[in-house]
Amino acid sequence: SYVLTQPPSVSVAPGQTATITCGGDNIGTKNVHWYQQKSGQAPVLVVYDDRDRPSGIPERFSGSNSGNTATLTISRVEAGDEADYHCQVWDVRSDHWVFGGGTKLTVL
Amino acid sequence: QVQLVESGGGVVQPGRSLRLSCEASGFSFSNYAMYWVRQAPGKGLEWVSLILYDGGSEFYADSVKGRFTISRDNSKNTLYLLMNNLGPEDTAMYFCARDSRRYCTSIDCQGLDIWGQGTKVSVSS
Repeated sequence: SYVLTQPPSVSVAPGQTATITCGGDNIGTKNVHWYQQKSGQAPVLVVYDDRDRPSGIPERFSGSNSGNTATLTISRVEAGDEADYHCQVWDVRSDHWVFGGGTKLTVL
Repeated sequence: QVQLVESGGGVVQPGRSLRLSCEASGFSFSNYAMYWVRQAPGKGLEWVSLILYDGGSEFYADSVKGRFTISRDNSKNTLYLLMNNLGPEDTAMYFCARDSRRYCTSIDCQGLDIWGQGTKVSVSS
């Protein structure tokens, strides 16, 4: 089955840039979606199809995808960005949606 | 407003069954694929099942295939998940969610843009 690998944690100071990676075999050939989940809340879609943002999501959130790594970048990080971030893809071979293990973003 | 509200969770003994419901409002339910996603305590998200907008196709995670059945009643704007032969590994918060693309057909589905607040399922003797 297809596996997505995320770092368990990322730490960043306010105002700096956070980079969260999602690794998978040839993930660059798939559409990657990213979710933000704050403690005790349901997830929120922040990036879809690698780099598009739903309405209402700040431009500070951006995505890219190439080769074996997809990346979610959060610019000018704020305290309110502290959350778990999850990547997701559709695996055509298995007809399964797959989530990464999630990355906890800590704002120092 | 656009909303999904889950119900039906609770505490159940191993081997028993439970049916979850998810009532949709504020959008044309019959136009969208719908999902169940679960999250065990302290763990990441796990996709459980997907049903296309017209109910014509269903997809399941290997961990639940043969035990869980997803269905929908477009006349009632409601999504269901029938869970049979539950085990401790099924203990989780269960979320229903909507795909962001109308009429998607699995490979072109575009991410889950509307989520409910979840219903908790605990499997314990």
